[in-house]
Amino acid sequence: SQKIEQNSEALNIQEGKTATLTCNYTNYSPAYLQWYRQDPGRGPVFLLLIRENEKEKRKERLKVTFDTTLKQSLFHITASQPADSATYLCALPYGNNRLAFGKGNQVVVIP
Amino acid sequence: DAGITQSPRHKVTETGTPVTLRCHQTENHRYMYWYRQDPGHGLRLIHYSYGVKDTDKGEVSDGYSVSRSKTEDFLLTLESATSSQTSVYFCAISEAGANYGYTFGSGTRLTVV
Repeated sequence: SQKIEQNSEALNIQEGKTATLTCNYTNYSPAYLQWYRQDPGRGPVFLLLIRENEKEKRKERLKVTFDTTLKQSLFHITASQPADSATYLCALPYGNNRLAFGKGNQVVVIP
Repeated sequence: DAGITQSPRHKVTETGTPVTLRCHQTENHRYMYWYRQDPGHGLRLIHYSYGVKDTDKGEVSDGYSVSRSKTEDFLLTLESATSSQTSVYFCAISEAGANYGYTFGSGTRLTVV
């Protein structure tokens, strides 16, 4: 069966350090992968889309890598700030224009 | 969230009653989705629409129906609410499907007692 795996344990990180999150998947052959941010009580917010032919993509302090051989994406937040505290979701396409989401990985940035 | 509104934001209903949740968009996007989010399960797709009157089932569609009679509105109906349908429901829109980022609504917290 198809699976998207994100670490269920919260990542606690000191302000200013780089937070790195992992998204692993099985039984998908995605042409792209997306990352979202979700704050408590709010809907997810789209951050980045990376395509299979793009090894790396950046947006401000965010960096995403996509390794289709390892079936893995890494999500980095550099120079992390308390405002970066949230849950981050990865999402993969499947079927006809649908997205499946991982369960998310919580990040807590400690001042 | 800009361009997408869900109503109601909160609802408590009794087991066995029908419930309709509304998603309204002002972006003229073709694709609309209904997800539910539960602890331990993450977001799961209930139904989606790829155009007016064009809908399809997601992975957890049992007990739910949808309708889309115009571009801007996507309705989710729980035909006979059960306690297992207590959840947070999110609507999402996309200009061109899953290869574009989704825009999510603020969610509807539904409690079935």
